[in-house]
Amino acid sequence: DQQVKQNSPSLSVQEGRISILNCDYTNSMFDYFLWYKKYPAEGPTFLISISSIKDKNEDGRFTVFLNKSAKHLSLHIVPSQPGDSAVYFCAASDRGAQKLVFGQGTRLTINP
Amino acid sequence: EPEVTQTPSHQVTQMGQEVILRCVPISNHLYFYWYRQILGQKVEFLVSFYNNEISEKSEIFDDQFSVERPDGSNFTLKIRSTKLEDSAMYFCARGGTVYGYTFGSGTRLTVV
Repeated sequence: DQQVKQNSPSLSVQEGRISILNCDYTNSMFDYFLWYKKYPAEGPTFLISISSIKDKNEDGRFTVFLNKSAKHLSLHIVPSQPGDSAVYFCAASDRGAQKLVFGQGTRLTINP
Repeated sequence: EPEVTQTPSHQVTQMGQEVILRCVPISNHLYFYWYRQILGQKVEFLVSFYNNEISEKSEIFDDQFSVERPDGSNFTLKIRSTKLEDSAMYFCARGGTVYGYTFGSGTRLTVV
């Protein structure tokens, strides 16, 4: 079951630069998308979400872009900070369901 | 908003034994969930619990699993006869897709 895919297992970015994390999905019934950040031995922490009726949502340093025709979304973090180093999960839910389907995660490392 | 508290943080059990994982998610929410993450893999949905009933469950959530909300605030996941492959981080969560889920810090279950 690969309904949500994060094809990059890891990403390394210089502090202060932009981090771009990508996510693809296959289920056209998904109507809500979320990004979570996870540190080791902790639960996922909600970062930002976007509804399928929008193509962009911004919250401080975090912006999520949704391209429905390509079934692709991305998370932009700018400027990147050392505290952003973590595993980032993309997740999606479909109409009427409350469960989340997660991607495999991308480990982001911010280098000083 | 108060965090979701899970106990214990780490549980080691022998194969075939029963385990109960506990979560205090705050009682004024309607939706509660259990997810798990096998080491190095994606976070997977197990079960959602709405209005004191299971509303959805995954293929993983077989007859060996059960959930209860015994006293209106605690939320438990029971595994009746643990298998080696049940070793994982188990996360309790509350909330919903629109406002984002709040996950607990997890219980690491090790079956030996």
